[in-house]
Amino acid sequence: GENVEQHPSTLSVQEGDSAVIKCTYSDSASNYFPWYKQELGKGPQLIIDIRSNVGEKKDQRIAVTLNKTAKHFSLHITETQPEDSAVYFCAAIPRPGGSYIPTFGRGTSLIVHP
Amino acid sequence: DAGVIQSPRHEVTEMGQEVTLRCKPISGHNSLFWYRQTMMRGLELLIYFNNNVPIDDSGMPEDRFSAKMPNASFSTLKIQPSEPRDSAVYFCASKTGTGGEKLFFGSGTQLSVL
Repeated sequence: GENVEQHPSTLSVQEGDSAVIKCTYSDSASNYFPWYKQELGKGPQLIIDIRSNVGEKKDQRIAVTLNKTAKHFSLHITETQPEDSAVYFCAAIPRPGGSYIPTFGRGTSLIVHP
Repeated sequence: DAGVIQSPRHEVTEMGQEVTLRCKPISGHNSLFWYRQTMMRGLELLIYFNNNVPIDDSGMPEDRFSAKMPNASFSTLKIQPSEPRDSAVYFCASKTGTGGEKLFFGSGTQLSVL
């Protein structure tokens, strides 16, 4: 089955700095890579995603990149703000029979210091 | 839309007691998932249903855990008897069936077994 590794487990930055979270996956059949943000006391919420036919996608201060050859993808947050503090999960979705069941990374706790 | 609704938000019980967690998926979603979140293991998929039918329960840790989905708008996760190592946050998530990739999570149930 799919295996997703996520690093770092904890990331501490100053407000205004950039933050990068990296993930690798094992199954070359995976073709959809969502990122979820989990705020304290809440469930994870999808914030951005990328498909295997795209190398990069941006949404305001957030961007995701994908390197299919190397099987890794990254989340980039620029100009970080205290409200970006949360746990971020990457995921990979293979398509065995179209089940669309994501395999999640272990999560990265991002702390943005004001 | 009210989103995925879970109850209770917090549950404190004593070892050996039966615990029942409840979930109402988003109307129209026909796939439902139960996850457990711990510091040690991150997000673990316990079981998922398609059209009220359990598809994969290989993540259910042991026979003390059981899940049902009697209709499209309600699911339960039961632990009997509960043990301290079951303490975790349990999330329910739902998505549309065929072709749906985005998971919508509830706010979770924080379970503490003393």
